[in-house]
Amino acid sequence: DAKTTQPPSMDCAEGRAANLPCNHSTISGNEYVYWYRQIHSQGPQYIIHGLKNNETNEMASLIITEDRKSSTLILPHATLRDTAVYYCIVRVSGAGSYQLTFGKGTKLSVIP
Amino acid sequence: GAVVSQHPSRVICKSGTSVKIECRSLDFQATTMFWYRQFPKKSLMLMATSNEGSKATYEQGVEKDKFLINHASLTLSTLTVTSAHPEDSSFYICSAGQGLNEQFFGPGTRLTVL
Repeated sequence: DAKTTQPPSMDCAEGRAANLPCNHSTISGNEYVYWYRQIHSQGPQYIIHGLKNNETNEMASLIITEDRKSSTLILPHATLRDTAVYYCIVRVSGAGSYQLTFGKGTKLSVIP
Repeated sequence: GAVVSQHPSRVICKSGTSVKIECRSLDFQATTMFWYRQFPKKSLMLMATSNEGSKATYEQGVEKDKFLINHASLTLSTLTVTSAHPEDSSFYICSAGQGLNEQFFGPGTRLTVL
């Protein structure tokens, strides 16, 4: 699986949009971009994934550049409960039977 | 989304004892379950991949005789930490997938070995 690079930490004011970047310059054509987050002392939570088109769900939006070498996760209105470590992972598409390789992620702190 | 549970959520045991952790997929059948370990302020590290009805595949450096994995049904996998030592104290997390694009994670089990 391709390697990803994320900033170690970010701050965001409550109510503002949080934009979390991820570089994945070695991504292959059949690899998706996944985002998970982990709130302290809990298991990771799936957020969103995409291949090349921008995606949006009830939690977030995912913007993938045209060359697919980077992406941005957007939390439109961050709340204190969004404080967590956010992981950007790229892996082949398909079955949930494919393992996920976690990097160090970005620790997002939402500030009141 | 699908729900994965783990039991127990916390366990404290004496050095030398064995501890069993259960991972269940509550509303779907999981052909594959994964076991991860996470030390404080570190990322998740995959320990093993468990497929229903077959032997688990362990990652390099993970002792298969120490971390016994059983995936006896499509909804249950167990991890047994045998002869636990203080250095085995960690946060153990399972995840499950079944032909889905996303994996679902359990809430984790905090193991403390005294």
